[in-house]
Amino acid sequence: DIVMTQSPDSLAVSLGERATINCKSSQSVLYSSNNKNYLAWYQQKPGQPPKLLIYWASTRESGVPDRFSGSGSGTDFTLTISSLQAEDVAVYYCQQYYSTPRSAFGGGTKVEIK
Amino acid sequence: QVQLQESGPGLVKPSETLSLTCTVSGGSISSYYWSWIRQPPGKGLEWIGYIYYSGSTNYNPSLKSRVTISVDTSKNQFSLKLSSVTAADTAVYYCARHAGPAYGDYVYDYWGQGTLVTVSS
Repeated sequence: DIVMTQSPDSLAVSLGERATINCKSSQSVLYSSNNKNYLAWYQQKPGQPPKLLIYWASTRESGVPDRFSGSGSGTDFTLTISSLQAEDVAVYYCQQYYSTPRSAFGGGTKVEIK
Repeated sequence: QVQLQESGPGLVKPSETLSLTCTVSGGSISSYYWSWIRQPPGKGLEWIGYIYYSGSTNYNPSLKSRVTISVDTSKNQFSLKLSSVTAADTAVYYCARHAGPAYGDYVYDYWGQGTLVTVSS
């Protein structure tokens, strides 16, 4: 099974500053036949379900602000919030969907305001 | 706008069967995969299993012996049954729609609000 490891567990960032979240998979999630990374990012605010932010590692879901960006390939991925807003306080999860049907989520990273 | 709503008992006794239903509105259950995902209090997300509108299923191997997911297309609903529950099954249970092949099939674009199920005597 592919294991997803996120770091850090939590981070505090000042408003307007950059937040960077890392996600590492235990094996590559890059599918060579289509050159796509099967990696998604979700945002979960307290008391709410997760919300899809990014898929294919770097494609923003419709309606997601462009301050959210995803990057990386193979086993190492990053979610960046370029200018943290108050409404971005949440837990962020990465998810691999290369090894299906048992897609695996990372443990989550809690983002707070410093 | 597609909406999903979980329903079912919030309290289940140990060794009994947890039963939940997800009602889909604003869109058809047809032509999509639908999953159940759970989240123990303060913890991360665990995929339980999925069903296609045609009725084909696939379950998390760690839960497979206890899980049954079914679909009722006439009611635009799908359901979860988890047998022989223990306190470890206490969690918020979400139903979710798979976004489709353009996203890679196993990305979830619509989620219910979730329902807390507590296993306790």
